[in-house]
Amino acid sequence: GESVGLHLPTLSVQEGDNSIINCAYSNSASDYFIWYKQESGKGPQFIIDIRSNMDKRQGQRVTVLLNKTVKHLSLQIAATQPGDSAVYFCAENANTGKLIFGQGTTLQVKP
Amino acid sequence: GAVVSQHPSWVICKSGTSVKIECRSLDFQATTMFWYRQFPKQSLMLMATSNEGSKATYEQGVEKDKFLINHASLTLSTLTVTSAHPEDSSFYICSAPRPSGLAEEQYFGPGTRLTVT
Repeated sequence: GESVGLHLPTLSVQEGDNSIINCAYSNSASDYFIWYKQESGKGPQFIIDIRSNMDKRQGQRVTVLLNKTVKHLSLQIAATQPGDSAVYFCAENANTGKLIFGQGTTLQVKP
Repeated sequence: GAVVSQHPSWVICKSGTSVKIECRSLDFQATTMFWYRQFPKQSLMLMATSNEGSKATYEQGVEKDKFLINHASLTLSTLTVTSAHPEDSSFYICSAPRPSGLAEEQYFGPGTRLTVT
């Protein structure tokens, strides 16, 4: 069935380093992908999105890369800060607005 | 400020009782809202789509008679967990999209922590 999954459950980085969080998806028909940040006890917060007609999109300190050939998505966070510590989810947005979430990666930033 | 609110933020109830969770869009009208459930250290799983003026549509495996959804107005959807059991203990999150369909304009509520004893 359709699924959006993540490679690593936990990522630990030093403050100031760059972080890379990966995601694999299985539905080759997916055309819209989103990254969310979820802090403990809160709802997900939108970070950045990308459509399948793009390979790369940049935001403030974040970059999303999409490789449709291998059905892989990544989120890069530059100069990671303690406030970036959270769980990060990739999600696939179906046309109906439904979101299929990946398993999540916990990002731990060491001071 | 918050765009989507949920009430209560946490609730503890006894097994066999029912619990109602509210989801409100604060500054826009939402004809559709979504309800998710999240178990500890797991991902969000879509439970159902709440439709204003019509019946909710449930995802496969979600019991519609157990999780009652009512989209009472364009700014309010409620989820009632009936005859709650300890296995229903979870974090329930709603979301409401603006008509644009953009993911950045689909706002999530802060979640409701349900504990069934």
